[in-house]
Amino acid sequence: AQKITQTQPGMFVQEKEAVTLDCTYDTSDQSYGLFWYKQPSSGEMIFLIYQGSYDEQNATEGRYSLNFQKARKSANLVISASQLGDSAMYFCAMKSLDSGGSNYKLTFGKGTLLTVNP
Amino acid sequence: NAGVTQTPKFQVLKTGQSMTLQCAQDMNHNSMYWYRQDPGMGLRLIYYSASEGTTDKGEVPNGYNVSRLNKREFSLRLESAAPSQTSVYFCASRFHTGELFFGEGSRLTVL
Repeated sequence: AQKITQTQPGMFVQEKEAVTLDCTYDTSDQSYGLFWYKQPSSGEMIFLIYQGSYDEQNATEGRYSLNFQKARKSANLVISASQLGDSAMYFCAMKSLDSGGSNYKLTFGKGTLLTVNP
Repeated sequence: NAGVTQTPKFQVLKTGQSMTLQCAQDMNHNSMYWYRQDPGMGLRLIYYSASEGTTDKGEVPNGYNVSRLNKREFSLRLESAAPSQTSVYFCASRFHTGELFFGEGSRLTVL
């Protein structure tokens, strides 16, 4: 079974500094994908970034980058130049085929609450 | 605006009552999902549907039923609500690239 572990329940960072949110995963699949979502206090789920298991380059989207270390089964999110609006819950998720092999499921971690201090 | 629409956004039930959460997407996606979110637990998959007419159980299906009425709509039904089903429920549909697009969530309280 797939498992996502986020070991940091909460993180604090000063505005304009970089922060790394940890995510490790467990799967026996060869093909899978890793996502990060942001959930602000308003409650909506916002897709941030995706990394495929066969992608050789680390994914980047603006100030977000994904530090993908396949051998260590980690997919950490790096946010550069933090802004007050980055304060939110962040979820790591893994895409994998279901047992029937016909559809994808996303398994989520428990999340990390990031607080950006002015 | 294109997206995933969930109704109702808030609901209070008494133990034993039934209700249906409605979800509709207008992005022509095949796959749709229902998750529940509880404090400290992340999002847990209840049921999902790969296409019209098919549904599969997720991690926490007990106490729920679903219907994929057509390609657009995927409803979640609680036949006899229990306090343990107090949660925020999210419906989502899946892009071909794999990421999920979520609705705004439905907050359910069972007394």
